[in-house]
This record gives sequence, C-alpha cells and structure tokens, in this order.
Amino acid sequence: DSGVTQTPKHLITATGQRVTLRCSPRSGDLSVYWYQQSLDQGLQFLIQYYNGEERAKGNILERFSAQQFPDLHSELNLSSLELGDSALYFCASSETWSSYEQYFGPGTRLTVT
Amino acid sequence: ELKVEQNPLFLSMQEGKNYTIYCNYSTTSDRLYWYRQDPGKSLESLFVLLSNGAVKQEGRLMASLDTKARLSTLHITAAVHDLSATYFCAVDNGNSMYSGGGADGLTFGKGTHLIIQP
Repeated sequence: DSGVTQTPKHLITATGQRVTLRCSPRSGDLSVYWYQQSLDQGLQFLIQYYNGEERAKGNILERFSAQQFPDLHSELNLSSLELGDSALYFCASSETWSSYEQYFGPGTRLTVT
Repeated sequence: ELKVEQNPLFLSMQEGKNYTIYCNYSTTSDRLYWYRQDPGKSLESLFVLLSNGAVKQEGRLMASLDTKARLSTLHITAAVHDLSATYFCAVDNGNSMYSGGGADGLTFGKGTHLIIQP
C-alpha cells in the first residue's frame, strides 16, 4: 500500500457524460500527478500539481481538467466522455520539491459505454 | 518529443535463468525509473536512478543507468516465478514550468511483459 488513495475504484458511465476522479496523496506529499493507462496509448502523463498550483502538463485533452485543493487532495474532471476515454487513471504523489520518488495509487478504472 | 523504448516487449523465460531488459531514451535526463505492475494492479516503484553510472540492487533485480548512452538496464538473476509481471521504465520529462528540483511527469516505455515458467 503506497498511501495514495483514489476513489472510486470503478466507474461506468455513458458517452457524453462528465465524471470526477478523486485522489488523496500520501500524508505530507505536496505534488500530485495524474496518469492514464490504456491499451492503445500505454501509460501517459496528464498533469501535475504542486501545493495547489499547476506545475506541468502532459498529454491532457482540453475536455479534461484538474485541480489541487488546499488540503492537497486532487480531482481530475473528465467531460464529454468518449469511448476512447475508457482507461485506468492513476494518481501519484511525491514528497517535496526535491524528491524524485513517485508513489502510485490503486487507480480508477473508467469504462465509457 | 521524448521517447522511451523498451525491449523486449515480451519475454518468456525459465526459472533459474538470467536475463536483461533494456531501456533506451531520447533525452538528456539523468532520472530514470523502473516500476513493476501486476495484472490489474497499480505500479510499484522498484528503482530510481539519479546519476550516470548509478547501480541499484534489490534481491534478484539490479538496475543500472548510463546517461551518455541514454540506456538503462534491468537485470534479473536466477529468475523465480514470483517475478512474473510487467516492468516499465520511465524518464523524467523535465517539462516543468518551474526550474529546480522535484520530479516532473514521467514518460513511460511500453513495458516488458515477463513470464517466468517453473
């Protein structure tokens, strides 16, 4: 158990809908990262937040957005969902500005029907 | 665009044998990561390599980094069935809007699906 929690574990929704995935980092970790894992694209970095501010963007679609709250938990919002958005979404966290280790949560499996 | 290539992508081997997984990358990053993933599970951090010539070992696994060759290897010694999993290497993107330390988003290889037969 990495100490990173994600909810929900599974999510089934229809095309065109909007969902929110939630992540709580390890206690004391300031950075949160979001990744998407799919059979087509493999593991892709989406976005990173550090202490409430966006720090880096990866291959995140415009239909997706994220934020990190004052208590350091983060949410990933996915809207206008398409079949191709079905994937495993991981959140990871790391300790401080100078820490390089990233700890991954258990993931949220999203199925779009 | 940063590219990370692993080979082989699939490996079936017998218990007791040795083998090496290779990871080539296209950037000058000094930070290279190895992760293990079991089916349907999350990613478990195995090694974080932070400098040229870094070598780390844990049990039957040993990872090394050659930043000049942009190559990392994960060597498996005397494989056992419990090591069956998918192994990913990843490189720090270095694309943060901020300078300074701290991990950036990672670019992953496609993974090596390792099956170890009894």
